[in-house]
Amino acid sequence: DARVTQTPRDKVTEMGQEVTMRCQPILGHNTVFWYRQTMMQGLELLAYFRNRAPLDDSGMPKDRFSAEMPDATLATLKIQPSEPRDSAVYFCASGWEGGYNEQFFGPGTRLTVL
Amino acid sequence: ILNVEQSPQSLHVQEGDSTNFTCSFPSSNFYALHWYRWETAKSPEALFVMTLNGDEKKKGRISATLNTKEGYSYLYIKGSQPEDSATYLCAYRDNYGQNFVFGPGTRLSVLP
Repeated sequence: DARVTQTPRDKVTEMGQEVTMRCQPILGHNTVFWYRQTMMQGLELLAYFRNRAPLDDSGMPKDRFSAEMPDATLATLKIQPSEPRDSAVYFCASGWEGGYNEQFFGPGTRLTVL
Repeated sequence: ILNVEQSPQSLHVQEGDSTNFTCSFPSSNFYALHWYRWETAKSPEALFVMTLNGDEKKKGRISATLNTKEGYSYLYIKGSQPEDSATYLCAYRDNYGQNFVFGPGTRLSVLP
């Protein structure tokens, strides 16, 4: 049963600390998305990779957020320094571009910045 | 900026009622429309991918239709059950864009 995995599931940190969230996409998928769940905006797209290349990160605050795919089995989202307003659930999803990119979501990382 | 709207924002129905809600999207340069079901404290799960005008998809008691010319899709639930309670999201993709635009969702509560 192929699934997207995310670690950690929960993270509590203090303002100013670096936070790294990891995602393992489903084997064989060639697209990876990072979303943030917010009360006001629902699912907010932060970054989108295809074949490990970043295609769109316009929704991501560049000064503190960065997203990478060091290899096909790992995507990372990093926040440095973290701020209380970054508290949210962060979802990773993967898909296959050739199949209209139906997305399979991971369980999310709940981040709390104190 | 692509604008995807969903209505109503929230909906309460009694068990056994049938219901439907709407996703509106730009009618030009359409590529695909996705429906997702998102239960509280879980992750969104794909329901349907719709690509052709006039498409109708069905999964159990849930079905969806697509009108790309006028830019809307309906999601229908027949005989709602409490386990149908969730937020239903649509996501639109056009020929130019590389990404998805999610609508704000319709939150459905089915009362026993």
